[in-house]
Order: sequence, then structure tokens, then C-alpha cells
Amino acid sequence: GAGVSQSPSNKVTEKGKDVELRCDPISGHTALYWYRQSLGQGLEFLIYFQGNSAPDKSGLPSDRFSAERTGGSVSTLTIQRTQQEDSAVYLCASSSLGQGRAGELFFGEGSRLTVL
Amino acid sequence: QQPVQSPQAVILREGEDAVINCSSSKALYSVHWYRQKHGEAPVFLMILLKGGEQKGHEKISASFNEKKQQSSLYLTASQLSYSGTYFCGLRSYNTDKLIFGTGTRLQVFP
Repeated sequence: GAGVSQSPSNKVTEKGKDVELRCDPISGHTALYWYRQSLGQGLEFLIYFQGNSAPDKSGLPSDRFSAERTGGSVSTLTIQRTQQEDSAVYLCASSSLGQGRAGELFFGEGSRLTVL
Repeated sequence: QQPVQSPQAVILREGEDAVINCSSSKALYSVHWYRQKHGEAPVFLMILLKGGEQKGHEKISASFNEKKQQSSLYLTASQLSYSGTYFCGLRSYNTDKLIFGTGTRLQVFP
């Protein structure tokens, strides 16, 4: 596809369960970002990848959160033992950084996670 | 540290102008501006690079003051379609991490 694709678009889970959120970036984009947006709030940085490497994981809220990227393409954000405070929209964005690290971010539509 | 945007909210009549400010405590390499409409993903508006390069979009322009570590977004003759939440995104040196500001909610009424 032409844009950033995220799945699932909606996920309802029970407290304590694990969830996986997937992001398929724009083909050729080397950088991939994960953000979290709680209802009515701003964009909270979680992690970014340059290729398959994650130079900065400082935004991950706890060790229950992890992310990986394979083949310089698809990324998976995993949340273990989900808590109600994890409920939010998880946004993925990709970017081509050919212009001196100034590439714009293209966002997916997000995965809305609800933890009951 | 999250960039601070001001004001938090703006209400305009169609045709009025507005300015949104974004401040950082860190030295900046570039500033991004995005607009997010309710229930949608953020959409890129423009990038400003160190050195003063400025780009415009429709009747929206921006400035970047490196010394003050600030950026301002100027919306001229606002249209109904300008309504949404505006976020600045700041990138420091030696990192590709983009940190977004606190957001400014803009509402334009007829």
C-alpha cells in the first residue's frame, strides 16, 4: 500500500493479557516511530528505529513494553500483562531521512487499545 | 523534556489570524509542525531547519528562532478546515528522535 498500515485498528483485551500491535511502514522508509496518545492528550514518544536498530528506547513506559523491527520493514509493539492505564491509541509513523535527518513523518491510522 | 506550546486553545472566526508558539529547553536541529483532526492521524504541515529555512503551506507559515529555541506557526485568514489540534515536533542534534509538544487546539467558526 501507499501509506503506513497498522493492525489491528481496534483491540479490546482483558487486564493481564498480552497484546501485539503491528506497523507496516511506507516502503523504503528507514525510520519508524511509535507514539502513544491517550484520550484528549498529546503524542507521547515510545521508541524509534533506524533500520532494525532502536537507538532510543527511552520512551517505553515500563519493561512490559517492547518493540522489534525485522528486515528494516514491519515493526511489532508488544505489551505484556496489560493494565488499564495502557488504554490509548498507539500510532506508528515512518520517515525517509535522506534530507539531512529532516524527513517528515507519515502516520498510520493507529491501533486503539482498550484494556478492561 | 516535552516542548511547551502556547496557547493551549484558540477560538477564531473564519478569516481571523492566529499564532501558535512552541518552546524548548534544548538546542534544536529542526522543527516540525503537524495538524490532527478529531479521530484522525496527525498530518504533516512543514519542517523548519537550522539556518532559517522556512516553508509554507496554503496560508500557513512558520519561523524558527534557534537562539531562543522557539518556533511559531502563523495561520492567516483562517478557514473552517484549519480546525484541529496543532503539534510542534522538535528534533535535537545527534538524534532522529522527534518529541512532540503539548498541543494547541484550534477551532474556527463561521
